Amino acid sequence: GQNIDQPTEMTATEGAIVQINCTYQTSGFNGLFWYQQHAGEAPTFLSYNVLDGLEEKGRFSSFLSRSKGYSYLLLKELQMKDSASYLCAVRDRTNAGKSTFGDGTTLTVKP
Amino acid sequence: NAGVTQTPKFRVLKTGQSMTLLCAQDMNHEYMYWYRQDPGMGLRLIHYSVGEGTTAKGEVPDGYNVSRLKKQNFLLGLESAAPSQTSVYFCASSYSRQGKETQYFGPGTRLLVL
Repeated sequence: GQNIDQPTEMTATEGAIVQINCTYQTSGFNGLFWYQQHAGEAPTFLSYNVLDGLEEKGRFSSFLSRSKGYSYLLLKELQMKDSASYLCAVRDRTNAGKSTFGDGTTLTVKP
Repeated sequence: NAGVTQTPKFRVLKTGQSMTLLCAQDMNHEYMYWYRQDPGMGLRLIHYSVGEGTTAKGEVPDGYNVSRLKKQNFLLGLESAAPSQTSVYFCASSYSRQGKETQYFGPGTRLLVL
């Protein structure tokens, strides 16, 4: 099975940088997703890491270390609209297509 | 492209009633999923499908059934609704290219069971 941990809440200041961590324990790893979810809306895809290293996409970057069971999402130049919940999800290799989600990190960006 | 659409957007049921939630995608994706999300929690997988005519159980399948008769549609059925099934239901579909996967979510269905 999968066990995924991420902080429940984080607060940061507009214009700053914030790092949201995700640790996981899995019986068969086949990639890690990050999603953004604004209150009352559907999750939207941010990134998918399957190999170790950093992937950058504009203001957002995602890092993966498979040996440590660890990922982080880095948000730069924070904007008020970045206030949302950020969900980490791990894909299971043994069950094609199956992903397990963490409970999400609620990020509040303050002026 | 409409992407992933869900019907209905909101529904109120009485305990014991049945209903079907419809998910449709026009992106020709092989994989489709049904999740539920309860307040303050992440998404939990109910059932999923890796192709037309196939379905599999997720983390919380009890009380739900699914069917994928057409590639573009994935139906979630509640045969006898219970208050514990009050939740927001999200459908998603995904594709994989060169080892990279992208998943798209529908807008959600808010279900209240009284």
